[in-house]
Amino acid sequence: DSGVTQTPKHLITATGQRVTLRCSPRSGDLSVYWYQQSLDQGLQFLIQYYNGEERAKGNILERFSAQQFPDLHSELNLSSLELGDSALYFCASSTSSQGQGIGYTFGSGTRLTVV
Amino acid sequence: GNSVTQMEGPVTLSEEAFLTINCTYTATGYPSLFWYVQYPGEGLQLLLKATKADDKGSNKGFEATYRKETTSFHLEKGSVQVSDSAVYFCALTAGTASKLTFGTGTRLQVTL
Repeated sequence: DSGVTQTPKHLITATGQRVTLRCSPRSGDLSVYWYQQSLDQGLQFLIQYYNGEERAKGNILERFSAQQFPDLHSELNLSSLELGDSALYFCASSTSSQGQGIGYTFGSGTRLTVV
Repeated sequence: GNSVTQMEGPVTLSEEAFLTINCTYTATGYPSLFWYVQYPGEGLQLLLKATKADDKGSNKGFEATYRKETTSFHLEKGSVQVSDSAVYFCALTAGTASKLTFGTGTRLQVTL
């Protein structure tokens, strides 16, 4: 157990629907990162939050949004789902928001299948 | 922008063989370099890291040396085991951002 908890582990939904993925960071970690892993795109950074505030944005679609709550858990909301959104979505956490040499702790991921 | 290039997989080796997985990078400034490993059905785990030139990261028999002159961070292990079968990702952070940029991953399969 890495200490980063993601729920649900698996999700199957239809095109056009909306889903919410949840992440609880490791105790003491203030930064949360979301990544999408797909066969054709590899690991793509989506977004980072630090202590409730957005810190960095990557290749996140407008149909996707995220937030980090006061208890530091984070949610990734995916709407108007398309077949191409099927992927593994990983959450990771770290102690800081910036700087070199920081290693993340990853959760085990949520596998989203859009049918 | 920052990028990481890894050798294509899959890499298939017999147990006790020597492993090298090549990784080169492009980055602004002086990046920190990482190797992550992903076992089947699991998330990524940090394997080792190096934060400045000529540093050697090591863990579980794996090693990688930060080579600034060749912008490389090749992963090596002297004797692989079946349990090392996984996907290995080279990654970096650069500048003040903590966002990781990953390579495409290299699948390693070790057979008896």
